[in-house]
Amino acid sequence: DGGITQSPKYLFRKEGQNVTLSCEQNLNHDAMYWYRQDPGQGLRLIYYSQIVNDFQKGDIAEGYSVSREKKESFPLTVTSAQKNPTAFYLCASKGAETGSNQPQHFGDGTRLSIL
Amino acid sequence: QKEVEQNSGPLSVPEGAIASLNCTYSDRGSQSFFWYRQYSGKSPELIMFIYSNGDKEDGRFTAQLNKASQYVSLLIRDSQPSDSATYLCAVLYNFNKFYFGSGTKLNVKP
Repeated sequence: DGGITQSPKYLFRKEGQNVTLSCEQNLNHDAMYWYRQDPGQGLRLIYYSQIVNDFQKGDIAEGYSVSREKKESFPLTVTSAQKNPTAFYLCASKGAETGSNQPQHFGDGTRLSIL
Repeated sequence: QKEVEQNSGPLSVPEGAIASLNCTYSDRGSQSFFWYRQYSGKSPELIMFIYSNGDKEDGRFTAQLNKASQYVSLLIRDSQPSDSATYLCAVLYNFNKFYFGSGTKLNVKP
């Protein structure tokens, strides 16, 4: 089945540790996104990528890094510089062509907590 | 920063009633508008989207867009307890960036 797979579902980070969240899609979408959601809040954009080997910062990129080496994959690293990483992280992708009004579709999310 | 505003609620309606959810946005350059439903602890799921002024209907759901007033709404007819969730409004800008409101929590009482 086509979709977006995020792993792991739950992740715990120790002080000073970097952790990487996985996002894989088989929808053949060019655009991929990472969001952070805090309790009772909407989604805030961390990074997005329109094409392989290119990505742009969103509104809250500090303390995070990404790569886009393959069309299907857009992993997010939460670095030790992110002092308040506890949140629900959502990966999304969007149907292909530039200028498209198509919606985003989301993975099931990763819940990150500090140990 | 593009602003997308929603009343946080909770909005309480009795089963079978019409629920009306509202959203305003700040940037007139916004192209498309999306409504997502999010159950507690789950990821958002798309209900419907609209990009032309007027109404768009899909089953029990109707999206309404008024670009002059920078206003988009979602009507849910014959509300069911299973509709109880948080509804997120999202706005597409520049065909590549989405901005989300903080969501309206809907409670449908049996």
